[in-house]
Amino acid sequence: GNSVTQMEGPVTLSEEAFLTINCTYTATGYPSLFWYVQYPGEGLQLLLKATKADDKGSNKGFEATYRKETTSFHLEKGSVQVSDSAVYFCALSEGTGNQFYFGTGTSLTVIP
Amino acid sequence: NAGVTQTPKFQVLKTGQSMTLQCAQDMNHNSMYWYRQDPGMGLRLIYYSASEGTTDKGEVPNGYNVSRLNKREFSLRLESAAPSQTSVYFCASREAGWGNQPQHFGDGTRLSIL
Repeated sequence: GNSVTQMEGPVTLSEEAFLTINCTYTATGYPSLFWYVQYPGEGLQLLLKATKADDKGSNKGFEATYRKETTSFHLEKGSVQVSDSAVYFCALSEGTGNQFYFGTGTSLTVIP
Repeated sequence: NAGVTQTPKFQVLKTGQSMTLQCAQDMNHNSMYWYRQDPGMGLRLIYYSASEGTTDKGEVPNGYNVSRLNKREFSLRLESAAPSQTSVYFCASREAGWGNQPQHFGDGTRLSIL
């Protein structure tokens, strides 16, 4: 079956630190992979996506590379800001299936 | 651009009461979804509708019913609310049932059942 596993949080970083949030997946075919961000009191917003192996998704300084050999899609940012404090969700969707499979989310707090 | 609109934003119910959560999207998407979000549990799919006229159960459908009223609207009904249904409910929509299309989310309905 399909599933997504994210690193446990919460994660606390100082401003300008390097961020990595690990995400690994299990899929029966060739999934598309997504990162979503949820700010307090809001819904999930698409942050970036990758639809095939070796694709790199990027947005707002965040990057993630679709690694088929390690079934991973780790989220990285070189220098985090206080405004990046949020919950981050990794997700996959496969083929013509209608369902998304979400990780449990990783809470990030960035302190000045 | 409204995107996905959910109403109400907040609601408090007593055990046994019923209510309907409304969701509408203006992106002409075929597929719509209802999730609940609980601390430490991530998002769990309640029901989804792949296209107008169809609905299917997700991971946690018990205690809920849905109606795909038309292409724009997908409602979630609690017939007899229970404290275990206290949660944040999110509606989402998607262009089609293709894997590379993202879901778009509303801002949620925060529901407390006493």
